[in-house]
Amino acid sequence: KAGVTQTPRYLIKTRGQQVTLSCSPISGHRSVSWYQQTPGQGLQFLFEYFSETQRNKGNFPGRFSGRQFSNSRSEMNVSTLELGDSALYLCASKDRHSPLHFGNGTRLTVT
Amino acid sequence: QKEVEQNSGPLSVPEGAIASLNCTYSDRGSQSFFWYRQYSGKSPELIMSIYSNGDKEDGRFTAQLNKASQYVSLLIRDSQPSDSATYLCAVITHAGGTSYGKLTFGQGTILTVHP
Repeated sequence: KAGVTQTPRYLIKTRGQQVTLSCSPISGHRSVSWYQQTPGQGLQFLFEYFSETQRNKGNFPGRFSGRQFSNSRSEMNVSTLELGDSALYLCASKDRHSPLHFGNGTRLTVT
Repeated sequence: QKEVEQNSGPLSVPEGAIASLNCTYSDRGSQSFFWYRQYSGKSPELIMSIYSNGDKEDGRFTAQLNKASQYVSLLIRDSQPSDSATYLCAVITHAGGTSYGKLTFGQGTILTVHP
């Protein structure tokens, strides 16, 4: 089975711009979660999607949003980028009986 | 109090020794516990999962869970330089209904195994 696929791997954006990250889960996995990893804050939960609906949300501002499509693929959008949004963004998928499996991440740099 | 706390590192052990990593969690309702390994510049990789009290062994790795004490640990026997990485303890909280829950991570412990 193919693993979790995230695109792009690297992104450089400037403050004020917006960005969309993409995630394709493991085939058959219906739950997709997003995490932000920074050296200072570690791994922090952004949100979880299941059957195209957001089921859980972390403590991030409304500039961070996501969606899930009928094929379970998910996108995450960050609007009005700030320098502090520079991070590794990780997508993970699971089904009911499996642990969370992570993709390789998208490294976002905001200048 | 943080939801998931790991013993502060970094931890340095000689090759062949046992590395012991500890983690405590605050939500008594947590049911699923995981250890992930993360090499620098890479994404976290699952190495152990444990769901019930006691020990679970997989090769050189042993996970221990004590729900009464809200404590999870990971032992790495015969440590190798290739085990040098950041180890992340993670706990699933707020699972129910159609949500599979969110994974809350500790801050990680950096392990260095020196030859």
